[in-house]
Amino acid sequence: EIVMTQSPATLSVSPGERATLSCRASQSVYSSLAWYQQKPGQAPRLLIYGASTRATGIPARFSGSGSGTEFTLTISSLQSEDLAVYYCQQYDNWVTFGGGTRVEIK
Amino acid sequence: QAQLVQSGAEVKRPGASVKVSCRASEFAFSSYFLHWVRQAPGQGLEWMGWVYVGNGKTKYSQKFQGRVTLTRDTSANTAYMELSSLRSEDTAVYYCAKLALPGKVYFYMDVWGKGTTVTVSS
Repeated sequence: EIVMTQSPATLSVSPGERATLSCRASQSVYSSLAWYQQKPGQAPRLLIYGASTRATGIPARFSGSGSGTEFTLTISSLQSEDLAVYYCQQYDNWVTFGGGTRVEIK
Repeated sequence: QAQLVQSGAEVKRPGASVKVSCRASEFAFSSYFLHWVRQAPGQGLEWMGWVYVGNGKTKYSQKFQGRVTLTRDTSANTAYMELSSLRSEDTAVYYCAKLALPGKVYFYMDVWGKGTTVTVSS
């Protein structure tokens, strides 16, 4: 099973500042990596797929990068509505999710 | 637009079974692999398995093998997740999700149901 490790567990960022979230795979998943945003009490929402392609309707402040085993989700200018937990998911070999990064507004 | 509507919350006793439904609309249901994911309170997302709606074929996470059964009723555009021998650790929100492309077994999930809360308590 491919293990996905996210860091940090919690990230506290001031509005307007940049947030950088990391996701590492235990073996290469190539570009088969998606990011989801989950707000309190809601289902996950697809943000990024193919490691770097924004899903429909996702604001340009969200961007993804990386390939192989190291991936990054960047929120260029954090908004208050970005308060959420963010999960990475690999789909190269079965499906596994990372443990999540909680983004707090400082 | 594509939508998945799940059944309502359930409260079950330890040892019982629960069956959660997931009704699809506005997409070619039979062409997709439908995945199930659960989330325990305060925890992350945990993949449970998939059902291919077209022929009913299934694959389960090893963790749930033997306890989970995924089925579908194409005439009702509905998929089902049944979990047996419930224990307190199965208290969670259970989600169904469709993959973004038909015919893909493993892919990213572009549409999710709102989730069904299952509480296991004596």
